[in-house]
This record gives sequence, structure tokens and C-alpha cells, in this order.
Amino acid sequence: AQTVTQSQPEMSVQEAETVTLSCTYDTSESNYYLFWYKQPPSRQMILVIRQEAYKQQNATENRFSVNFQKAAKSFSLKISDSQLGDTAMYFCAFMSGNYQLIWGAGTKLIIKP
Amino acid sequence: DVKVTQSSRYLVKRTGEKVFLECVQDMDHENMFWYRQDPGLGLRLIYFSYDVKMKEKGDIPEGYSVSREKKERFSLILESASTNQTSMYLCASSYRDRNQPQHFGDGTRLSIL
Repeated sequence: AQTVTQSQPEMSVQEAETVTLSCTYDTSESNYYLFWYKQPPSRQMILVIRQEAYKQQNATENRFSVNFQKAAKSFSLKISDSQLGDTAMYFCAFMSGNYQLIWGAGTKLIIKP
Repeated sequence: DVKVTQSSRYLVKRTGEKVFLECVQDMDHENMFWYRQDPGLGLRLIYFSYDVKMKEKGDIPEGYSVSREKKERFSLILESASTNQTSMYLCASSYRDRNQPQHFGDGTRLSIL
């Protein structure tokens, strides 16, 4: 069975620091997609960044970047220069062949002023 | 911007009632999804639909049914609500391609008393 594991239930950092959220997954597929989603308190789930497994280059979106290690089945999210608005639940997700997303349990990230 | 609208943010129902949760998207997305979100469990897929009148069971379909009579609308039905169905319900939609992100509604927090 395909699984996604986020080993950090909660993290907190000071504003402007860099933080890395970990995610590992298990699959026998060779071509797949990985996503990080963000869910701010009482707000909508939104896409942060996505990675295609066949691409070697790590995806980057402004302050957000990933470290994709395909052999290790690892997909961590790095947030640089963290801001108060980054406080949210972060979910890692894996897209399987039938359009279903397999989700991790989430990491609660708190940015302290 | 993509708009996914869920009919209610908060809903309180009684055990045994038939409950309808409605979801409408305005981006002509082929795929629509219903998830249940519980703390520590991430998102779990209840049902999804890849076309009008088509539906596929997700990981936890028991006690639920769905209806997709029009492309833009996907309804989740709790046939006979039970207290263990108290949860946050999220609707999402996406284009058919696997690399396309899912877009979420605001969620419905459902309490069954």
C-alpha cells in the first residue's frame, strides 16, 4: 500500500528563520507527483508546491523549495525567511495512478514573532 | 481564480438524519472529491468522481453516498447520520491530468448529536 509519513506533528520557529518539514512516502511506481499543501487556521487548503518524480530539479516557489530525493523516497519542504502568515498545517501528498491523493497526517507549523 | 463552494461552513444534525453536503465548482473541472479531515489522520478520501454520473469509492465510503448529476456539482450524502461521522468535510476539484492540483472549498464542520 502507498503511504505518506510526516514525522513531525508540530514545529515552531522564530519569524525570519528557515524551517524544513519532512515527508517520506512509499510506492512502487516510477512516475508520480508529489505536493505540499498549506491549511491556515480556519482557512482553505491551498497548494504550496508540486514536484514531478521524473524531474531531477527540485521545485521552487519564491520562499518555498523542496528537497526531492527519489531513491530515498523523501520530499521535504523548506521555508526560507519564515513569516507569521506561514503559520498553518502543512500536508504532504502523493498522487497515485488513479488521480487519488494519498495524504500525510500533517505538520502544524507555528511561526513566532 | 478557481472557486469551490461548499454549501455550509457549520452544520449540526441529529443521529439518524439524512444529511446532504453540497459542493459546486466553477472551473469546469472533470474530477471532484469528498474528503473527511480528522486531527492526526490527515485527509481521507470518501468518494471521488471523474465525470458526470461517475463515482469511485475512496478509502472510507461506508455510511456515505454521492451524486453527480451535473459537472459542476458533487453532493455527499450521509444516509443515516451517526456520531462517528462528526468531522470536517472538504470538497475538492481538479482537471483530469494527474499533475494538476486539487482546489479545495472552505470545508463544512459537521456535528452529529
